[in-house]
Amino acid sequence: EPEVTQTPSHQVTQMGQEVILRCVPISNHLYFYWYRQILGQKVEFLVSFYNNEISEKSEIFDDQFSVERPDGSNFTLKIRSTKLEDSAMYFCARGGAMNTEAFFGQGTRLTVV
Amino acid sequence: RKEVEQDPGPFNVPEGATVAFNCTYSNSASQSFFWYRQDCRKEPKLLMSVYSSGNEDGRFTAQLNRASQYISLLIRDSKLSDSATYLCVVKGQAGTALIFGKGTTLSVSS
Repeated sequence: EPEVTQTPSHQVTQMGQEVILRCVPISNHLYFYWYRQILGQKVEFLVSFYNNEISEKSEIFDDQFSVERPDGSNFTLKIRSTKLEDSAMYFCARGGAMNTEAFFGQGTRLTVV
Repeated sequence: RKEVEQDPGPFNVPEGATVAFNCTYSNSASQSFFWYRQDCRKEPKLLMSVYSSGNEDGRFTAQLNRASQYISLLIRDSKLSDSATYLCVVKGQAGTALIFGKGTTLSVSS
């Protein structure tokens, strides 16, 4: 059983379009993360979200990215104007009990054409 | 210098073999250490945490050497189902991001 549920599992979008990736936690947790993995490369941190606010973000997380938890449950990653190089697997994760380890959702495969 | 370095492999071993993976990390302030497993095109899954005293979970043994900034994973009696990519992961204080290595690929054959 996944720790978090991500939708959609696969999205194809045209360059320049906006996409919204969704993550629904199974349990009520405070820490959430978005990571991405470009095919053949390592898993890269994008942003962490604690208590409904961004707590840390990487250099990758520039102005074209945003995160929200609009209804206190669903957790979204928005990419405003997609580029070809945004094609990747995007993983949502929740923090563990001590918020050391993280448990990942099954990911959304984003393909920008 | 890369934050977390791993030998990419692949390691090709027969069933029943013992295989060891190594990892080094650059940030001496790192506080938590993990091995994750990733199957092709799937999400990373936590295999085990790594403690300074060393820890074992069945056929898997992890070791941490803080002085050398070195982490290891030993898999005994390899199974076909162990075939995957093993990711070395480090983290600063609670709430900070996990930093992943690129992974070491293991292929176990019959």
